[in-house]
Amino acid sequence: EVQLVESGGGLVQPGGSLRLSCVASGFSLRTYTMNWVRQAPGKGLEWISYVSGTGYSSYYADSVQGRFTISRDNAKNLVYLQMNSLRDDDTAVYYCTRGQNNYPDWGRGTLVTVSS
Amino acid sequence: IVLTQSPGTVSLSPGDGATLSCRASQSISGAYLAWYQQKPGQAPRLLIYATSNRATGIPDRFSGSGSGTDFTLTISRLEPEDFAVYYCQQSGSSLRTFGQGTKVEIK
Repeated sequence: EVQLVESGGGLVQPGGSLRLSCVASGFSLRTYTMNWVRQAPGKGLEWISYVSGTGYSSYYADSVQGRFTISRDNAKNLVYLQMNSLRDDDTAVYYCTRGQNNYPDWGRGTLVTVSS
Repeated sequence: IVLTQSPGTVSLSPGDGATLSCRASQSISGAYLAWYQQKPGQAPRLLIYATSNRATGIPDRFSGSGSGTDFTLTISRLEPEDFAVYYCQQSGSSLRTFGQGTKVEIK
């Protein structure tokens, strides 16, 4: 069974940093593109980043470009999202998802709250 | 690529049919358009991929169609568990995007 479990969310002040982790199980992580998708309270879904299976290719939404960095450690079955220069509008539930063109598998999400 | 969904909210009764629209700001290959369902407090669930292919376990009352810039999700007969928010998503560009969602609520 495919499982994705996010962690690392919490309360952080504006301008601060946070690193999210996603532990994957039930499949070979190295063969899959992985993504982060977020959802602000009461709002819709926003794709923010993906990383290729090898980790050599990554893309970012304009809203996080230059502030967030996605990475992966296939040996440890982990995907990361390093978030710097956090702003109030980064407050959201962050989901880890598996897939290149569509996302059949999602974690339960981890809540990031940016507030002073 | 901007995806615009309509309507924003639709009020229907169980047993009704529903037609949800997703319009892209530029043409997308049908291979790169998907639909998701999300219920309160839950992660989204993939319904349709590559425009018209049902994901594993999705009942056949859900169907997708379209091409170019216009795509449609059709629910033939609404069941009580189908009242939710629906999102389209494109992967035709390196920067993936979701539509803003259509809420299907009980009338």
